[in-house]
Amino acid sequence: ETGVTQTPRHLVMGMTNKKSLKCEQHLGHNAMYWYKQSAKKPLELMFVYNFKEQTENNSVPSRFSPECPNSSHLFLHLHTLQPEDSALYLCASSHPDSNEQFFGPGTRLTVL
Amino acid sequence: QQPVQSPQAVILREGEDAVINCSSSKALYSVHWYRQKHGEAPVFLMILLKGGEQKGHDKISASFNEKKQQSSLYLTASQLSYSGTYFCGTAHTGTASKLTFGTGTRLQVTL
Repeated sequence: ETGVTQTPRHLVMGMTNKKSLKCEQHLGHNAMYWYKQSAKKPLELMFVYNFKEQTENNSVPSRFSPECPNSSHLFLHLHTLQPEDSALYLCASSHPDSNEQFFGPGTRLTVL
Repeated sequence: QQPVQSPQAVILREGEDAVINCSSSKALYSVHWYRQKHGEAPVFLMILLKGGEQKGHDKISASFNEKKQQSSLYLTASQLSYSGTYFCGTAHTGTASKLTFGTGTRLQVTL
């Protein structure tokens, strides 16, 4: 499989649940990103990892917890979310020498 | 601070041209253009770096005016496949890892 993949593609969870989103890239990139895309709002950068180290946390609430065990995998752990957290969560990756970010198809999250 | 895109939406007939603008209130290092079709991931179109330049491939090109802190995306002889939402992402330092995206311009090309 090539490119950036995300699982699950759709997720419905209650406010007390704990779930995780997974992102995997097969492009040999060393930078990975989490974005949030809500309806009628711009793409919001959440976290950036470079060579497995978190280099950016864009004031994201602690109910979102990222994990990057290696350069190919990125997780977003979710717990006690709010209905306003419902959105499309996009993962992206890039090569350190390139500014082009490759996006995955996203996980559509609904918090009830 | 997020860049401002205009127009918010545009409808074109196939073969017509369109211009999408992206303006920032802060000095720009680079501008990145992406297109997102409904239900799909954003796809990279091109990047323009400070120094003022113009780029293009096929019938889609862009310019970057560093002084005015703005970029414009030009779509000429539009095709149905150009339909989607176009986003500009701006970076204010030499690293593009922290992009701030605009709200997008929805483009619809009809027959």
